[in-house]
Amino acid sequence: NAGVTQTPKFQVLKTGQSMTLQCAQDMNHEYMSWYRQDPGMGLRLIHYSVGAGITDQGEVPNGYNVSRSTTEDFPLRLLSAAPSQTSVYFCASSYSLPTDTQYFGPGTRLTVL
Amino acid sequence: DQQVKQNSPSLSVQEGRISILNCDYTNSMFDYFLWYKKYPAEGPTFLISISSIKDKNEDGRFTVFLNKSAKHLSLHIVPSQPGDSAVYFCAASGMDSNYQLIWGAGTKLIIKP
Repeated sequence: NAGVTQTPKFQVLKTGQSMTLQCAQDMNHEYMSWYRQDPGMGLRLIHYSVGAGITDQGEVPNGYNVSRSTTEDFPLRLLSAAPSQTSVYFCASSYSLPTDTQYFGPGTRLTVL
Repeated sequence: DQQVKQNSPSLSVQEGRISILNCDYTNSMFDYFLWYKKYPAEGPTFLISISSIKDKNEDGRFTVFLNKSAKHLSLHIVPSQPGDSAVYFCAASGMDSNYQLIWGAGTKLIIKP
């Protein structure tokens, strides 16, 4: 049981490049979410999903896209990277609700130059 | 405009003593509160939660107290152990946030031997 996995662990992009952060869980959880963590701030919700085929915007969705074609996978796409997207990104999953215990991946540290 | 505030960026406590971490919130519609713990280079892990119908919840060495009238909650760790050194995040949820979690900025707890 791997829990929540994220790849890559580190990434450096140039402004304007696009990329996909991968997230997968093997716990058959319905709820999945993407957060970003910046210095001096709490985690901020980017997008979330309550089940396969269903996604919704969180607090800071601009510049990011998500899809949920399977229960297991929830990739986050950066469409055109900007320096303001330099951050640590966490993917999480929980059984059904955001207030259920969320299990987090180890994070992806992204730098945009 | 931070709805969940952890005003102490760091806290240093002697091993064996009580650690008290504080969290304030501004939205009276929040009705569920959670604490997560985070070690460096790892994702957060769930610690303890409390519903607004309670004023206290206990789990081993960890107790969370909720004061609804003051919009304040605190996490008590007794006795503090070296492995408790981590960043502690408070999070809140309610109808206004569509039940998504709103996070505080975290408090770094350092347990001194």
